[in-house]
Amino acid sequence: AQTVTQSQPEMSVQEAETVTLSCTYDTSESDYYLFWYKQPPSRQMILVIRQEAYKQQNATENRFSVNFQKAAKSFSLKISDSQLGDAAMYFCAYPQGGSEKLVFGKGTKLTVNP
Amino acid sequence: GAVVSQHPSWVICKSGTSVKIECRSLDFQATTMFWYRQFPKQSLMLMATSNEGSKATYEQGVEKDKFLINHASLTLSTLTVTSAHPEDSSFYICSARRESYTFGSGTRLTVV
Repeated sequence: AQTVTQSQPEMSVQEAETVTLSCTYDTSESDYYLFWYKQPPSRQMILVIRQEAYKQQNATENRFSVNFQKAAKSFSLKISDSQLGDAAMYFCAYPQGGSEKLVFGKGTKLTVNP
Repeated sequence: GAVVSQHPSWVICKSGTSVKIECRSLDFQATTMFWYRQFPKQSLMLMATSNEGSKATYEQGVEKDKFLINHASLTLSTLTVTSAHPEDSSFYICSARRESYTFGSGTRLTVV
């Protein structure tokens, strides 16, 4: 079965510091997308960043960047200069091979301490 | 950007009644939409894939007669929870894909 694993149920970071959330996945596909979504207390799912597997370059969106290791099937999210508004649940996800069904990890709850 | 609108945001219904939740893609056409259920402090669980003009495909363990899905147009999918019971109380979220996946704001269903 194709799965997404987030091994850190909870993480905390000091404001202005950097934190990395880990994600591993299992797929037999060679070309696919990977996503990180944020779910704040409002429960609205918000796209944080997207990575295309065929691209060698790691995706970056302002303070958010990924470390994509295709061979290791690893897709970690780095948040730099953490802000109080970054506190949320973070989900790693990718579309199941051969379909558009988005498969989610169990999530990591990020707390940002002032 | 792509916007998905979901209504209602919250609903309370009596046990045994049916509730309809709407999901609309506002600025793009979506031949496929996805319905998720999320229990407190858990991840999103895919319930079904809604296909415009054809039958929805349900994930294993999801009762298709309880969770009726209709995708009659390229911008609207509906989820009807039929004969709702307290155990159906949950947070339901829809999604559609343009480039990335865009999610509705979710519906909190409480069955009393």
